[in-house]
Amino acid sequence: KQEVTQIPAALSVPEGENLVLNCSFTDSAIYNLQWFRQDPGKGLTSLLLIQSSQREQTSGRLNASLDKSSGRSTLYIAASQPGDSATYLCAASLGGSGYALNFGKGTSLLVTP
Amino acid sequence: NAGVTQTPKFQVLKTGQSMTLQCAQDMNHNSMYWYRQDPGMGLRLIYYSASEGTTDKGEVPNGYNVSRLNKREFSLRLESAAPSQTSVYFCASSPPGQGQLSNEQFFGPGTRLTVL
Repeated sequence: KQEVTQIPAALSVPEGENLVLNCSFTDSAIYNLQWFRQDPGKGLTSLLLIQSSQREQTSGRLNASLDKSSGRSTLYIAASQPGDSATYLCAASLGGSGYALNFGKGTSLLVTP
Repeated sequence: NAGVTQTPKFQVLKTGQSMTLQCAQDMNHNSMYWYRQDPGMGLRLIYYSASEGTTDKGEVPNGYNVSRLNKREFSLRLESAAPSQTSVYFCASSPPGQGQLSNEQFFGPGTRLTVL
């Protein structure tokens, strides 16, 4: 089974800082890796999807990288804003189980004004 | 285009009662999934359906059954609810595995279930 770990579990930063969220996975034979945002009491919003053949993906202030050999992915958030406060989830698919995702427990981010 | 919808949003059951959680997607996706989210556990796969007419067990299928009614709908049934099934249930769907955005999963808003 693919184990996915996210560090840190919680993070508090002042507005404007650039920050990095870390995700590690145990099986390098991943099919893809997806980053999500979850607001309290809400569903999951997909932020970025990285295929196994890709090294990174960018969307606005977000950049996600993938290093299969080291079993790591990072989500970089530039110029953080209070509206970025949420839990960020990393999930990896091995391709089996209908490409179902194995999730980390998330990083809870608080951006203070 | 509503994406993935789930009903109900909230539900309280007594131990032993049954209920069905409904999920529908309007994106013409082939694959659909049911996950549960518990504090400190992350999301775990209950069942999935890779295509219309097929269903398979995930990591935590005990106490649940599913039906892929058609391409749009995938329901989750609790036959005899137990307190251990208190959780938030998410349905997701994804398109076929082709192209740069292949297999990106899209989630519904969730059903918050409490079993007393």
